[in-house]
Amino acid sequence: EIVMTQSPATLSVSPGERATLSCRASQSVSSNLAWIQQKPGQAPRLLIFGAATRATGIPARFSGSGSGREFTLTISSLQSEDFAVYYCQQYSDWPLTFGGGTKVEI
Amino acid sequence: EVQLVESGGGLVQPGGSLRLSCAASGFTFSSYWMHWVRQAPGKGLEWVSRIASDGSTTNNADFVKGRFTISRDNAKNTLYLQMNSLTVEDTAMYYCVRVEMGWGQGTMVTVSS
Repeated sequence: EIVMTQSPATLSVSPGERATLSCRASQSVSSNLAWIQQKPGQAPRLLIFGAATRATGIPARFSGSGSGREFTLTISSLQSEDFAVYYCQQYSDWPLTFGGGTKVEI
Repeated sequence: EVQLVESGGGLVQPGGSLRLSCAASGFTFSSYWMHWVRQAPGKGLEWVSRIASDGSTTNNADFVKGRFTISRDNAKNTLYLQMNSLTVEDTAMYYCVRVEMGWGQGTMVTVSS
């Protein structure tokens, strides 16, 4: 199976700052990569699919980039509601696999 | 608006069974593969099972070991997960997922004596 590795595990930032999250796949997943946000006690929420396409209703401050094995999620100016855990997920091949998550905290 | 609404979770004893359902709306359900993903308390996300748009192909995670069966009724826009021989390790929130479109709110399965 394709192993997804996220870094860092925890990212401490201040509101208004830029956050950059990384995800690496053990083999190429082309652009079949999604980013998912999860706040405490809530269901996961799709942010980005196709490595760079924002899902419906996702603010423009969220952007995704990369292809192949290396991917990045950038939050241009962190808002209070963005503090959460972020997962990357590959859907190039089954089983679907997820990274371990990056917790974005104040 | 895409909506995925799971139901059917609850408390069950080890060795018991549950059938989860996921009612889909806001997209052409019959055109897409669908997935179940679970999350144990305090843990990460774990893929469980998938089914082709017409139901002809299904795949399961290794830990399923023939205990779970994914199915769908395209006439009812509904996805199912029949879970048998449940163990305490199956305790988790179970989510219905359409990749590239969204996740449901989840249904909690608790396996305990």
